[in-house]
Amino acid sequence: AQSVTQLGSHVSVSEGALVLLRCNYSSSVPPYLFWYVQYPNQGLQLLLKYTSAATLVKGINGFEAEFKKSETSFHLTKPSAHMSDAAEYFCAVRRGPGTYKYIFGTGTRLKVLA
Amino acid sequence: NAGVTQTPKFQVLKTGQSMTLQCAQDMNHEYMSWYRQDPGMGLRLIHYSVGAGITDQGEVPNGYNVSRSTTEDFPLRLLSAAPSQTSVYFCASSYLGQYSSGANVLTFGAGSRLTVL
Repeated sequence: AQSVTQLGSHVSVSEGALVLLRCNYSSSVPPYLFWYVQYPNQGLQLLLKYTSAATLVKGINGFEAEFKKSETSFHLTKPSAHMSDAAEYFCAVRRGPGTYKYIFGTGTRLKVLA
Repeated sequence: NAGVTQTPKFQVLKTGQSMTLQCAQDMNHEYMSWYRQDPGMGLRLIHYSVGAGITDQGEVPNGYNVSRSTTEDFPLRLLSAAPSQTSVYFCASSYLGQYSSGANVLTFGAGSRLTVL
């Protein structure tokens, strides 16, 4: 069965510092991977997606993620944190064609310190 | 383009009461789904549908019913509410047109916060 593990339910960084949010997946076949962001009292919106076209994926708001098959990881990074990045971030996996279910991680709440 | 609309935004129920959470999308998405979000547990799939008349269970279907009579609407019914169903519920939809790539992007509603006393 596929699953997603997000390490660290809360992460704090200083404004301008590197953001690193960790996501590891387990899947018996190459997965499709996503990062979503949720701002307070809102629904989730897509940051970026991996579909096997390129291992380094660039998303919105300066975020990017790298798919590493050997490590089964899809960590989200941003070189310089901004106050507006404070939100909850979810990693999600979909096994691939033939499945309809998206499995979400438990989320990481990012706090940006002034 | 309204996207995915959920109503109500807030609801308080007593144990044993029934209610329906409404979800409507105007993007002609074939795929629709319901998730519940609980602290520390992320989003868990309740039910989903790949078209009118077709529904299936997700990870946590017990206590919930769904139906899909039109492409646009996918209501979630709680027949006899329990305190364990206190949660924030999200409806999400996507195209199946890119299904072969598997990269369908979910569009989420703003959520419905339900409290069961």
